[in-house]
Amino acid sequence: ETGVTQSPTHLIKTRGQQVTLRCSSQSGHNTVSWYQQALGQGPQFIFQYYREEENGRGNFPPRFSGLQFPNYSSELNVNALELDDSALYLCASSLGSGREDTEAFFGQGTRLTVV
Amino acid sequence: GESVGLHLPTLSVQEGDNSIINCAYSNSASDYFIWYKQESGKGPQFIIDIRSNMDKRQGQRVTVLLNKTVKHLSLQIAATQPGDSAVYFCAETFRRSRYNNNDMRFGAGTRLTVKP
Repeated sequence: ETGVTQSPTHLIKTRGQQVTLRCSSQSGHNTVSWYQQALGQGPQFIFQYYREEENGRGNFPPRFSGLQFPNYSSELNVNALELDDSALYLCASSLGSGREDTEAFFGQGTRLTVV
Repeated sequence: GESVGLHLPTLSVQEGDNSIINCAYSNSASDYFIWYKQESGKGPQFIIDIRSNMDKRQGQRVTVLLNKTVKHLSLQIAATQPGDSAVYFCAETFRRSRYNNNDMRFGAGTRLTVKP
């Protein structure tokens, strides 16, 4: 077990709706990243948060947004859902100390289906 | 554009044989490389990593080789077991000096099937 948990595990939404996915990082991990994994493909980086601030973003539109909280939990919000948003959403947490960084530990993912 | 990719989408090996999974990368600025294993219905699981100042690193039954000259990464699994059956991803990133940079770029993956 990685100590990273995501909820819910599965979710079905209608096109145009909004969704919030949640992640609980390993205790003490101050960095969390979110990835989108389409079926049969590798994960694609959405964005990263470090100490509650976004400090990196991939090629995703602004309707993908996030939050990181002091208790090591985080959220991924997606507005105006599109069919192509159907994917496995993964969060990964790590400790960024600048001196001895840890590897990223992934959660089991949330399978989002947009109909 | 620059990308991370894999040479083979599928690999089938006999139980007990050694497996070699290959990966090509094109971003010469990448300085940190990771191999992940992903089983069906699960998130990627860290296997082994290597920094660009190394060319080989060994773990338990796994070895990662990095050839920066040709921008090639490989994962060797010794005495492959049925439990090794999964999709394997290589990922690359550039570690910043201050923050732990997790904007990893993944390849499409190689599906390893181990035959008993």
